[in-house]
Amino acid sequence: KAGVTQTPRYLIKTRGQQVTLSCSPISGHRSVSWYQQTPGQGLQFLFEYFSETQRNKGNFPGRFSGRQFSNSRSEMNVSTLELGDSALYLCASSLEQGLTNVLTFGAGSRLTVL
Amino acid sequence: QKEVEQNSGPLSVPEGAIASLNCTYSDRGSQSFFWYRQYSGKSPELIMSIYSNGDKEDGRFTAQLNKASQYVSLLIRDSQPSDSATYLCAVNIRGNTPLVFGKGTRLSVIA
Repeated sequence: KAGVTQTPRYLIKTRGQQVTLSCSPISGHRSVSWYQQTPGQGLQFLFEYFSETQRNKGNFPGRFSGRQFSNSRSEMNVSTLELGDSALYLCASSLEQGLTNVLTFGAGSRLTVL
Repeated sequence: QKEVEQNSGPLSVPEGAIASLNCTYSDRGSQSFFWYRQYSGKSPELIMSIYSNGDKEDGRFTAQLNKASQYVSLLIRDSQPSDSATYLCAVNIRGNTPLVFGKGTRLSVIA
């Protein structure tokens, strides 16, 4: 069974550019969550999608957006990149929401903004 | 403010010893708790989940939950150098809310 696949794995952008990251969840998983990980802040929740609907959104500016497609694949977009957006962006999938719901993470997309 | 707090470490233990990792959370209504391990340069992977007060054992790992004290811990028995990693505590307050992570404790097992 394939795991969570994130592309691209590494990317370098300059300030002001925009970036799109992709996530393919485990087959059968309908929920996709995105997290930003930085050394200083740890894992910060960005948003969660379930059946193409955004269920939760973290405390990030509107430059951060996402969507989920009918096949559960998800993308996140960051516009007008800032130096502080340099981070590891992690996607995680789960079967559905719930207290016993377990997140399985992808390998991440490491974004460097110059 | 919903928070999950962990000592950042590093926590250094000799090989074969018991490593004890601790986590406190602020929302008394939190209902499910997870421990993830993250090796340097890798993504987090689930080690344990615990939902009710008491201990839960899985191999060399034991998770302990005390909801009254808002405290969850992870014990690693017979620690090995391969256990050296950052351990993340995560808390789910309600079923339809996102998992909140602590900043992690870095564990170093010295051979």
